[in-house]
Amino acid sequence: GENVEQHPSTLSVQEGDSAVIKCTYSDSASNYFPWYKQELGKRPQLIIDIRSNVGEKKDQRIAVTLNKTAKHFSLHITETQPEDSAVYFCAASMGGGGNKLTFGTGTQLKVEL
Amino acid sequence: GAGVSQTPSNKVTEKGKYVELRCDPISGHTALYWYRQSLGQGPEFLIYFQGTGAADDSGLPNDRFFAVRPEGSVSTLKIQRTERGDSAVYLCASSSTQGATGELFFGEGSRLTVL
Repeated sequence: GENVEQHPSTLSVQEGDSAVIKCTYSDSASNYFPWYKQELGKRPQLIIDIRSNVGEKKDQRIAVTLNKTAKHFSLHITETQPEDSAVYFCAASMGGGGNKLTFGTGTQLKVEL
Repeated sequence: GAGVSQTPSNKVTEKGKYVELRCDPISGHTALYWYRQSLGQGPEFLIYFQGTGAADDSGLPNDRFFAVRPEGSVSTLKIQRTERGDSAVYLCASSSTQGATGELFFGEGSRLTVL
């Protein structure tokens, strides 16, 4: 089955700096790659996703890049703010019947003032 | 309701007991998923329903775990003879997209503690 690895496990940045989180996946059939943000004790919430037919997608301060050849994708957050502090999870799916996501182990992002 | 609702939010039980966790998805969402999240880990897929039927139950760890969705809306995850290793947050999610990738909307989860 699919295996998703995520790095780093913790990331601390100064407010206003950029943050980058990287994930690799094992199954070349995967074609959907969402990123979820989870605040402490809260539900995971989708912040951005990308499909295998594009290489990059941007939404305000958040962007995701996908390299299908290398089987890795990354989340980029620019101009970080304290409210960006949370755990971020990448995930991969083969789509088709349902949306069975395989998640990475998460990155604890801390934005310091 | 406006979002995915899960009850109970917290459940403490003793080893060997039976537990039921309930999920009420977003109205009109045909797809429903159960995930399990252990401390410091990402959510782990358990089972997926499309309507009333379990389309993929490959993530259920063993036959002590069972889930139903009899009317295609509310789902119940049932755990028999609970073990300490079952302690985790059980997340339910729903989606409006059939047979294709779409956003999963998660509930707040049911935190299960087995003593």
